[in-house]
Amino acid sequence: RKEVEQDPGPFNVPEGATVAFNCTYSNSASQSFFWYRQDCRKEPKLLMSVYSSGNEDGRFTAQLNRASQYISLLIRDSKLSDSATYLCVVKSISNFGNEKLTFGTGTRLTIIP
Amino acid sequence: DGGITQSPKYLFRKEGQNVTLSCEQNLNHDAMYWYRQDPGQGLRLIYYSQIVNDFQKGDIAEGYSVSREKKESFPLTVTSAQKNPTAFYLCASSITASGEQFFGPGTRLTVL
Repeated sequence: RKEVEQDPGPFNVPEGATVAFNCTYSNSASQSFFWYRQDCRKEPKLLMSVYSSGNEDGRFTAQLNRASQYISLLIRDSKLSDSATYLCVVKSISNFGNEKLTFGTGTRLTIIP
Repeated sequence: DGGITQSPKYLFRKEGQNVTLSCEQNLNHDAMYWYRQDPGQGLRLIYYSQIVNDFQKGDIAEGYSVSREKKESFPLTVTSAQKNPTAFYLCASSITASGEQFFGPGTRLTVL
């Protein structure tokens, strides 16, 4: 089983719709969780951290369910500029005692006019 | 402008040759990282350095080498021992080993 699993998509969604992505992780001791956005042939950029109580940033809402070991990202009123690949990222302690990030393969989203 | 730069953006090399990818940051970050990204896979950690003159192997270090002689520079050498070197290589840095990682624009390496 992969440490971080995401539905690769693609998700093709009409402009203005609401879209949700889920991500599951296998390490129950994982400490922190993030969503990154990666545009085609560009570097990943941090979209938002995910907090236990859930958090919102404009049209974006992130939720964490530790019991079920999944995190989610909800995008409301989607815009054409939201088209990108969304990476689920989990921070945990490695076998060597240092913090490490584990990246999901990403979910590709295309917003259709 | 503060940031992370990687050069070149595209790199072609013949099989059997070593090649060095550049990564420079002027953010005064202590920690630096190298990842590779392949289609259908998440980013995988090659090497990381938490402080100057020190570095550690990541999950897929075989066939790669690094140095960290200066705080702002973390070059990655892809050696001829790396069996599948064609990939998108991303460098990142963070203020400390626990901090948010910021990525450079990447180098796309193709081995012919």
